[in-house]
Amino acid sequence: SQKIEQNSEALNIQEGKTATLTCNYTNYSPAYLQWYRQDPGRGPVFLLLIRENEKEKRKERLKVTFDTTLKQSLFHITASQPADSATYLCALDGASGGSYIPTFGRGTSLIVHP
Amino acid sequence: KAGVTQTPRYLIKTRGQQVTLSCSPISGHRSVSWYQQTPGQGLQFLFEYFSETQRNKGNFPGRFSGRQFSNSRSEMNVSTLELGDSALYLCASSLGGTASTDTQYFGPGTRLTVL
Repeated sequence: SQKIEQNSEALNIQEGKTATLTCNYTNYSPAYLQWYRQDPGRGPVFLLLIRENEKEKRKERLKVTFDTTLKQSLFHITASQPADSATYLCALDGASGGSYIPTFGRGTSLIVHP
Repeated sequence: KAGVTQTPRYLIKTRGQQVTLSCSPISGHRSVSWYQQTPGQGLQFLFEYFSETQRNKGNFPGRFSGRQFSNSRSEMNVSTLELGDSALYLCASSLGGTASTDTQYFGPGTRLTVL
């Protein structure tokens, strides 16, 4: 069956370090993969979209990689700050009844300690 | 530019009732998607509308329905509410691409509690 896996345990890191979050998937062949940030009680905020033919994408302190062979995406936040503390969700386009819909992982909580 | 707005923000209903939630997309956005978020199932796609037509649909029962108006505003309806429908319902808008391929801007959500 199709599955998207993100670490369920919170990731605790010190301010200034690089945070690396993982999104693994099985039985999908996504053409697009997105990362979102969600704060408690709020809707997700779009961060980055990467296509299957792109190996890496960057935006300011954020970097996303997409390895279709390993079926994995890595999300990096460099020089992390306490304000980066949030839950990070990955989403990919999964087939459903002949069309493609966004399918989300359960998210990983990131806690950046000052 | 104003963000995506959703009304109401909080709602309490009883089993068997129906509910209608409203979403106003960002000005100029023509695509609206709806999601259900629960602690047990996470964030799940309900359906997507573009130009008043449902473009994609997730795996939810027919009790969940939606529509989009000519001004791109959208509503979703849940009939015959069940306890398991208690969730945060999120709406997202994008310029015109699909929910999978275009930047989506989410609203704050409507917290529905079914008693």
